Amino acid sequence: SAVISQKPSRDICQRGTSLTIQCQVDSQVTMMFWYRQQPGQSLTLIATANQGSEATYESGFVIDKFPISRPNLTFSTLTVSNMSPEDSSIYLCSVDLAGENTGELFFGEGSRLTVL
Amino acid sequence: AQKITQTQPGMFVQEKEAVTLDCTYDTSDQSYGLFWYKQPSSGEMIFLIYQGSYDEQNATEGRYSLNFQKARKSTNLVISASQLGDSAMYFCAILDRRNQGGKLIFGQGTELSVKP
Repeated sequence: SAVISQKPSRDICQRGTSLTIQCQVDSQVTMMFWYRQQPGQSLTLIATANQGSEATYESGFVIDKFPISRPNLTFSTLTVSNMSPEDSSIYLCSVDLAGENTGELFFGEGSRLTVL
Repeated sequence: AQKITQTQPGMFVQEKEAVTLDCTYDTSDQSYGLFWYKQPSSGEMIFLIYQGSYDEQNATEGRYSLNFQKARKSTNLVISASQLGDSAMYFCAILDRRNQGGKLIFGQGTELSVKP
C-alpha cells in the first residue's frame, strides 16, 4: 500500500471563496484521481490527473470549477472554485499503485468541506 | 455502462457473528475488478478486498471474504466474527477498465451497525 496524505482534513468556507486541497503520496504513481462524496451519497469521480498532461474531467465537472494540478508523480491539488453550499462534500484523492488497473487502488483520508 | 447495486441501506449484526453485505453489478466487459471499501464516520476510504473477474478463487483477507458468483454478477462481502469497530459504511465498486486508469464506479453503500 502507500501513504496518501490530504490537506486540509476539514475546513469551513464562505460562499464565493476558493479552496485548494493537496494530496501527497509517498511513492511515485502515474495516475491520481479526485472523487467527491456529497452528504449521504456515494463517491463520484471528478477527474483523472496524470503528470505532464491536462486532467481528464468526468461528465458534469469542468476545469473552471475544479482546476487540478499535477506537478510531479507524488503530488496533486484540486481547487474548488467560487464555492457554494452545494459544494459541501468530502473530497478524496486516490491512486492506482499498480498502474495496470489491478486491485491496488487506495484513498487518502479525505477533505471534508463545509460551505456556509 | 457499468453499474453497481447495493440493495441494503442498513444492516445490523450482533458482535462476534458473521454478516453478509450484498452487491450486484452490471457490465458488458469481460475483464473488470471488484472492490470493497469501508468508510468509518471519519470519512476515509479503507480498502478491504479485491476480486478480479478472472480470479477463480473467492478472495479472502483476514476476516473479510467474497462470495463471487460471476454468472449471477454478484460479489457479496462476508465479514466473520464482527467487531464493534466494523460499524461503518461499506461500499462496493467496479473498476472501469475500458478507460485509461482506475476509475471506480461505486454503489450507494450499506451502513453496518454492530451491536454489543
